[in-house]
Amino acid sequence: GIQVEQSPPDLILQEGANSTLRCNFSDSVNNLQWFHQNPWGQLINLFYIPSGTKQNGRLSATTVATERYSLLYISSSQTTDSGVYFCAVDHTGANSKLTFGKGITLSVRP
Amino acid sequence: GAGVSQSPRYKVAKRGQDVALRCDPISGHVSLFWYQQALGQGPEFLTYFQNEAQLDKSGLPSDRFFAERPEGSVSTLKIQRTQQEDSAVYLCASSLSGVGANVLTFGAGSRLTVL
Repeated sequence: GIQVEQSPPDLILQEGANSTLRCNFSDSVNNLQWFHQNPWGQLINLFYIPSGTKQNGRLSATTVATERYSLLYISSSQTTDSGVYFCAVDHTGANSKLTFGKGITLSVRP
Repeated sequence: GAGVSQSPRYKVAKRGQDVALRCDPISGHVSLFWYQQALGQGPEFLTYFQNEAQLDKSGLPSDRFFAERPEGSVSTLKIQRTQQEDSAVYLCASSLSGVGANVLTFGAGSRLTVL
């Protein structure tokens, strides 16, 4: 099956800093989503981005499908950004049978 | 409803007991998914429904796991004769469309602990 690798596995930031989270995948995809899992376990959809660039407030994401990677940018980080960030992809084309990476644990310190 | 609702939020079962986990998706959402998330791992796909039809159950780990969505809305994931390795958070997600660009909305999950 498709492999999804996220890096770095852990990230510690001071409040106000910027960061880039990376997701590499081993096959072409028709669906790529970024999620934030907060400390209470709730998964929140951040972006649906199989290709191109999107922005939502302090967050933006870029997927370069031909090179099989996606980047999530967090600017001016806040303590509420802490949690685990997952990249998930689907390459079957039939439905959103998403394959998740292992996640990136982000801690933002005040 | 406003979001995906799952119950119970926490379940403790003795090994060998049967459990049933409920998912109430967003009203009108066609697709419904179940995922299993072990501690420290990403969610893993279990099964997928389009309305009442179970189109993919390739992720169910054994025949002790069974899922249904009889009227195309509420879904139940049943685990028979629970084992310790079944301990995990079970996540339900729904999406509006049936195919193609499916943006998933997840519930808060049901945490199962098998003693």
